[in-house]
Amino acid sequence: NAGVTQTPKFRVLKTGQSMTLLCAQDMNHEYMYWYRQDPGMGLRLIHYSVGEGTTAKGEVPDGYNVSRLKKQNFLLGLESAAPSQTSVYFCASSSGQGTYSPLHFGNGTRLTVT
Amino acid sequence: DQQVKQNSPSLSVQEGRISILNCDYTNSMFDYFLWYKKYPAEGPTFLISISSIKDKNEDGRFTVFLNKSAKHLSLHIVPSQPGDSAVYFCAAHQDNFGNEKLTFGTGTRLTIIP
Repeated sequence: NAGVTQTPKFRVLKTGQSMTLLCAQDMNHEYMYWYRQDPGMGLRLIHYSVGEGTTAKGEVPDGYNVSRLKKQNFLLGLESAAPSQTSVYFCASSSGQGTYSPLHFGNGTRLTVT
Repeated sequence: DQQVKQNSPSLSVQEGRISILNCDYTNSMFDYFLWYKKYPAEGPTFLISISSIKDKNEDGRFTVFLNKSAKHLSLHIVPSQPGDSAVYFCAAHQDNFGNEKLTFGTGTRLTIIP
């Protein structure tokens, strides 16, 4: 009963490097989200998807791109990492949009950009 | 501009006593409020929610109270148990003409003292 799985768990990048964070869910959820958590800032939405093949910008989308080629997967890309992107990244999914459909979160990816 | 505020970064409570976590908000358009609980190295998990048309929702040891006139909600845990030690996030939902958004507070770290 995996739920939402994120890979990798940890990563260190140098400024300017690129990487992709992977998120997979096995609950057949339509909606998927990428959040970042920073000290004193709470959870902030980066991008989200309301179904396969769709993506939309959240609160802090700059410097990130996403893709949802398959319903169960949501990828977050950093094309040219910056130290300001040092954060813990959480993927989440839900069966419907927020009101009555609580988010199910993965365990996070801790990213450090030096 | 923090629309959802958790002004207490931390709280310590004796085991068996009541824990009260507070959350204030500024946006009167929020229509649903949720509490998430987060253990270290794990993603947040949904705990309890309340619609803006209600003033109380109870689930076992957990009760959420909503005071719309004061734009304040609180989470009561009674009796508190060691396993309740975690970070608690308050979140608020709004539907802005089909553009749904979940805004998180910065979290309160609850420590239950045995």
